[in-house]
Amino acid sequence: RKEVEQDPGPFNVPEGATVAFNCTYSNSASQSFFWYRQDCRKEPKLLMSVYSSGNEDGRFTAQLNRASQYISLLIRDSKLSDSATYLCVVPGGGTALIFGKGTTLSVSS
Amino acid sequence: EPEVTQTPSHQVTQMGQEVILRCVPISNHLYFYWYRQILGQKVEFLVSFYNNEISEKSEIFDDQFSVERPDGSNFTLKIRSTKLEDSAMYFCASSGSTYNEQFFGPGTRLTVL
Repeated sequence: RKEVEQDPGPFNVPEGATVAFNCTYSNSASQSFFWYRQDCRKEPKLLMSVYSSGNEDGRFTAQLNRASQYISLLIRDSKLSDSATYLCVVPGGGTALIFGKGTTLSVSS
Repeated sequence: EPEVTQTPSHQVTQMGQEVILRCVPISNHLYFYWYRQILGQKVEFLVSFYNNEISEKSEIFDDQFSVERPDGSNFTLKIRSTKLEDSAMYFCASSGSTYNEQFFGPGTRLTVL
């Protein structure tokens, strides 16, 4: 059974803080990895794709460790608008995406 | 920016009734998916669809479920006889290929009474 495990959270941080989320996955054959963001009762929205060792997009950095089957997401200089649930997502081997339960981030002023 | 759309946004039905959830995927995408999310739980894969047939389905997608692409734009999920435990948010998604990112619609909240 393919699984994706995430830090349960919640993470409560002040504006400007740096925060990191971790994720482990069981499907060693996965070649691509994704971080999605989900706001309350809304759809998952793609935040970042990771195809090699990592990816950086502005304040967001994702890192991949294939040997340990571990992915991380780092958010620098947190904004109030970053408050959401962050979903670690890994292909299941076919067409399906396997979602983690998500880590909730709350950024306060 | 192209996006996936879904209708209705909220559907309330009685147990045992049939429901059809509708989706319009991004126009140049070829792969279509349905996922569901029970309140407070993780997003779960139901089914994928390509070239007018099911590519993959999960154990959740039993004989009560069916999918169809009735025309060139719509993609539907039918639940034949709804159960209380079918209450969930149903998300449609589409992608350009199986290796590309999947983009999700806003969801249909199904409530079975």
